[in-house]
Amino acid sequence: EAQVTQNPRYLITVTGKKLTVTCSQNMNHEYMSWYRQDPGLGLRQIYYSMNVEVTDKGDVPEGYKVSRKEKRNFPLILESPSPNQTSLYFCASSLEGSSYNSPLHFGNGTRLTVT
Amino acid sequence: EDKVVQSPLSLVVHEGDTVTLNCSYEVTNFRSLLWYKQEKKAPTFLFMLTSSGIEKKSGRLSSILDKKELFSILNITATQTGDSAIYLCAGGYLTGGFKTIFGAGTRLFVKA
Repeated sequence: EAQVTQNPRYLITVTGKKLTVTCSQNMNHEYMSWYRQDPGLGLRQIYYSMNVEVTDKGDVPEGYKVSRKEKRNFPLILESPSPNQTSLYFCASSLEGSSYNSPLHFGNGTRLTVT
Repeated sequence: EDKVVQSPLSLVVHEGDTVTLNCSYEVTNFRSLLWYKQEKKAPTFLFMLTSSGIEKKSGRLSSILDKKELFSILNITATQTGDSAIYLCAGGYLTGGFKTIFGAGTRLFVKA
């Protein structure tokens, strides 16, 4: 089944403790992206990747890191999480990042709470 | 500053009603307007619109884009309780790479 898989689905952590949220897609998509969703603010893009070893900042990149060493994986790293990073996170992928004819396929989300 | 604005923010209707959700956008290097439906978890794709005036339909849902007035509408006819969800509008644009900017969403609740 074609899908985007995120893990974990829920995560509670403390301020400053490094964490990684994994994202994997099995559709051979070139484009992958991370979003956070907060009430009243919609989905905001954190980082995106046009292809392997190519990443770029989205609208809210502060406090996050990403890497794209393989086409299928795009982990999101919080080196020193803070409470304002408490949010619902979505990973998404699409076939071609350079084309406007490729809608996003989303993972099921990771609800992160930082205390 | 690029933005996508959806209205209303929330809406309660009865089964069988017809609803219209609105999306206006100001997006530099605009390429496409997308609609997604979000129930309990992941947003799922509904429509992608790139040309003005051409309606896209899928069952009871339809959508159209006006690139002159910079807005799109999503219509749902004969609503059902299963249509209850958050509907997200997004603008796709080119800036080096292809990016997507989302509106805050319209939360629709359909009462039986």
